[in-house]
This record gives sequence, C-alpha cells and structure tokens, in this order.
Amino acid sequence: AQSVTQPDIHITVSEGASLELRCNYSYGATPYLFWYVQSPGQGLQLLLKYFSGDTLVQGIKGFEAEFKRSQSSFHLRTPSVLWSDAAEYFCAVALYNQGGKLIFGQGTELSVKP
Amino acid sequence: DTEVTQTPKHLVMGMTNKKSLKCEQHMGHRAMYWYKQKAKKPPELMFVYSYEKLSINESVPSRFSPECPNSSLLNLHLHALQPEDSALYLCASSQVGGPSTDTQYFGPGTRLTVL
Repeated sequence: AQSVTQPDIHITVSEGASLELRCNYSYGATPYLFWYVQSPGQGLQLLLKYFSGDTLVQGIKGFEAEFKRSQSSFHLRTPSVLWSDAAEYFCAVALYNQGGKLIFGQGTELSVKP
Repeated sequence: DTEVTQTPKHLVMGMTNKKSLKCEQHMGHRAMYWYKQKAKKPPELMFVYSYEKLSINESVPSRFSPECPNSSLLNLHLHALQPEDSALYLCASSQVGGPSTDTQYFGPGTRLTVL
C-alpha cells in the first residue's frame, strides 16, 4: 500500500540553525513528491515538487529537497531557519493512477526558538 | 497567479441548518478537490471533480453534497451535519485531472464549527 512517513512529529530549532525534515515513502511506481507548508489556520502552500530529472529540487523560502530512490526518501532542508518558518510541514506523494490523489504524511510541526 | 479563493472564512452552523461552502479559481484548472482537515492531522480527500464531473468520492456521508457548476467554481453543500464534522475544509485545484499528475494548489480554507 502507498504511504508517506514523516518520523518527526515535532521539531524545535534555533533561528539561524540548519534544518532537515524527513520524509520516506512507499510506492511501487515512480513517485511524484511534494512538500507543503501550513501556517496555523491557513491553507497549504506548495514549497517544492519532484516529478523527474535532477534529484535536488529547489523551492521557495530557501528550501530544497533531495530525492533518493534507493532510500525511498525526499527530505526537506534549509541552511538557516527563520522565525517565520515555524509551521506544519507535510510531505505528500501523488498517485498518478488514481487521478493524482495525494497521500500525505502525518506532518512535522516546526517550532523556532529566537 | 496560483490563487484559490474560499468563502466564507469561518462558518458556524447548527445541526439542522443548510449551508454551502464556495471555492473559486481562475487559473484554467480543470480538476478541483475538497479536503477535510482536523486539527493536527493531514488533509483527507473527500471529492474530486475532473472536467466538471465527479470522478472521486471517498465514501463521504451524504450530508456533504458537492457541486461543480462550471470549471472555475466548486461548492460543498452541507445539511444535517454533526459536531464531529467541525474541521477546516480545504479546496484545491490542479491543471488536469484523470491519469496524469499535476500540482494541486490549495485555498486558505473554511473553518467550520457545528454546534
């Protein structure tokens, strides 16, 4: 069965520190992968996506993610966290044989210490 | 422009009320989605419309009734809801539906409270 695992429910980092949010997926075919960010009470904003090609993907707000097929991973990184990055982060895989249905991970809540 | 708008932002309704949520996009997208999101949980897919036809219904109770009057508009009609239906309702759209995969863009959501 298809699934997405985000092993870290909550992460706290200091402002200016580097950050990695982990995402592992289980999907039999070529995955189409996304990272979304959600501020409290808001909708989801697309950070970046991977469909094919270069496995290192650049996104908005200074984030990047690397697709590693051998590890079934798509971890999100930023070299320097801002206080405004505090939010909920969701990794998702799209099921292209089911109308692009998104399977989300459980999310990682990021807190940033000043 | 990747904007999806949703109205109202907040809605409080009783269990006997009938209300509707509205979603609009002007990106020329032909697929539109309704999601339900409870606190501290990921969004759960409810319905998908592709080219104005309902293509996916994730076994949603009939007290939720979707409608897609045209390719830019998506409504969710609510009737006889239960308190456990209180949640953030998110709308999304993507360029095409069906077998191909595209990027879903989300609206800000409607916060629904059922008393």
